[in-house]
Order: sequence, then C-alpha cells, then structure tokens
Amino acid sequence: DTGVSQDPRHKITKRGQNVTFRCDPISEHNRLYWYRQTLGQGPEFLTYFQNEAQLEKSRLLSDRFSAERPKGSFSTLEIQRTEQGDSAMYLCASSFGPAGSNTEAFFGQGTRLTVV
Amino acid sequence: AQTVTQSQPEMSVQEAETVTLSCTYDTSESDYYLFWYKQPPSRQMILVIRQEAYKQQNATENRFSVNFQKAAKSFSLKISDSQLGDAAMYFCAYISFQGAQKLVFGQGTRLTINP
Repeated sequence: DTGVSQDPRHKITKRGQNVTFRCDPISEHNRLYWYRQTLGQGPEFLTYFQNEAQLEKSRLLSDRFSAERPKGSFSTLEIQRTEQGDSAMYLCASSFGPAGSNTEAFFGQGTRLTVV
Repeated sequence: AQTVTQSQPEMSVQEAETVTLSCTYDTSESDYYLFWYKQPPSRQMILVIRQEAYKQQNATENRFSVNFQKAAKSFSLKISDSQLGDAAMYFCAYISFQGAQKLVFGQGTRLTINP
C-alpha cells in the first residue's frame, strides 16, 4: 500500500456536466476526508466519513455535491451540473483512529478540476 | 468556529540558513492538535510536525521545530539548515482533540530557498 490514491489526477469538463472523482485510502484507515483547495489558498473541509457513515458535511457542500463511501473502503465525490466556480483541486485524506480521537491524516495528490 | 491565520504569504531564505514561519489561531477549546504540513509543487501534502496542546514541550523533528505559545495562540515553525528540498507551500492546521473531525488550515506560506 503506497498511500492515498486519487483518480483522475486531472479533469477538464464543460460547464453543466457531471463529474465523479475516486479516492482509495490507506487500507487500514477508517476515516476519510474530502477537501477543496483553490489556487493560493489552504484546503477547505468538505466532508468526512467514519467507515461508511458520512458524519459531517460542510456548508460549502451544496446540493450539487454528493459523496459516498460504500463498504467503508474507497470513496467517490460527484459534482452535478458543474460551474466555473467548482474549478479547484479536490484532495482526499485518510486516517485511523477510534471515534473521538484525532490522528495524522495522510493526503492524496488530488484531482485538479477545470470547468470551462 | 476555529480559525488559523498565516500572515506571511511568501518567505525566502538562503540555503543553510534558518527561517521561521508564523501561525496564529483562534479557538475556545483547551484540547487540540496543531500541525505543519508541507505541500511541494504538484505533490501531495505531507506532515512535517505535530504538537498536542496539552504538552508544554515544543515538538522537534530533525531540522524542524515549533514554538508553541498556548496563551498567545501562536504556533511558529522553525526550519534550521534550510535545504533546496524544503521549498514548498507550508500550511498550519488545527484540529480539535474531540468533536469536529476536520483540519482547519491557514492560507499557507510559500517558502523559497535561495542557493
């Protein structure tokens, strides 16, 4: 296991199209996070899974965004009806720990989305 | 809500010299973790150093050390003997010990190493 992997690395899409990103966390990690990072800014939290349960969603996550983590393994992030403002780097991270603790998160290389 | 502020958008240092990156945060919680993450160009973010708020001793990892001032809510990163490979964006981040399971990041500081 070489770490958190994300696919695709780059995605260019036309405004109004739907896109889906995949994240494969480190295999023994029970926690999975999605963040969004725009150019020159720090990552902003989008959502968090503990195993297969989505426990927290940011108010940044509009109705056009949906995330899943079936079976508590890989996760997908879908954006429907993309807008130019969705252009950003989407980062996935994973960590391991019991509920109520916070441990180091390992990040993937991200998926860079460009909406034209 | 917690906030993290990095007031230095860019910093530069001569190779082999020492540089300090600043970070302040705001929280009403007493138990939390603070991190410095490094993001090299086109590469993933990696953890540089971590500090538990309940520990008074400043964390150290080889050439990297922090100055954690809990009362002042300050968490600076010192890089000693800077190397070309240290060039990257550096992000300060906060996470609650319990409760909200999310990292809150600062805006980042771009560090340039001059040979």
